[in-house]
Amino acid sequence: TQLLEQSPQFLSIQEGENLTVYCNSSSVFSSLQWYRQEPGEGPVLLVTVVTGGEVKKLKRLTFQFGDARKDSSLHITAAQPGDTGLYLCAGMTTDSWGKLQFGAGTQVVVTP
Amino acid sequence: DTGVSQDPRHKITKRGQNVTFRCDPISEHNRLYWYRQTLGQGPEFLTYFQNEAQLEKSRLLSDRFSAERPKGSFSTLEIQRTEQGDSAMYLCASSFGSGGGGREKLFFGSGTQLSVL
Repeated sequence: TQLLEQSPQFLSIQEGENLTVYCNSSSVFSSLQWYRQEPGEGPVLLVTVVTGGEVKKLKRLTFQFGDARKDSSLHITAAQPGDTGLYLCAGMTTDSWGKLQFGAGTQVVVTP
Repeated sequence: DTGVSQDPRHKITKRGQNVTFRCDPISEHNRLYWYRQTLGQGPEFLTYFQNEAQLEKSRLLSDRFSAERPKGSFSTLEIQRTEQGDSAMYLCASSFGSGGGGREKLFFGSGTQLSVL
């Protein structure tokens, strides 16, 4: 069982549409990170959130950390084909410093 | 700076053989991590070094697996007597950290894809 559950597992949308990816856990995280991974490459860090209720924006991407620091969401506005990739959330719990744990990922496909 | 470098990119081996992978982290980074990723899954934590000290090992790291970081710079991951279940992408990451809380940024290499026949 994964510590971090991501949903949906797969998302296919048309260019210009909006999408939201969720990351949930029963554990409390000291920080939570979002990565994007393309085939044959390692994950690339997009953002780190550390405060409950925190919202961070990165161009068309909006990241939110839940008030209780157990969940997070990633919202993409007006998706573009370049947003296609595997989106991974990852976090460290307060008792597992150094051990960043990943969810299974959400595969996003944006078609022109 | 060329980022985190992993070698080789691909490795095909027969069951029972030993394999060794190398990771060169970003030069000023003191922390180095090894992860394993199988198709359709997120990376799974294997082990983590701060400088040359191996601070944590996952239960996934059986006695056939060993990792070293002898001078606090590059690291090697060796798998002895490989099994078909070892087939996966092995990812290395590095970061610069001076405290807890997990706020540092991890930079990943492109990984080594291992296929055990």
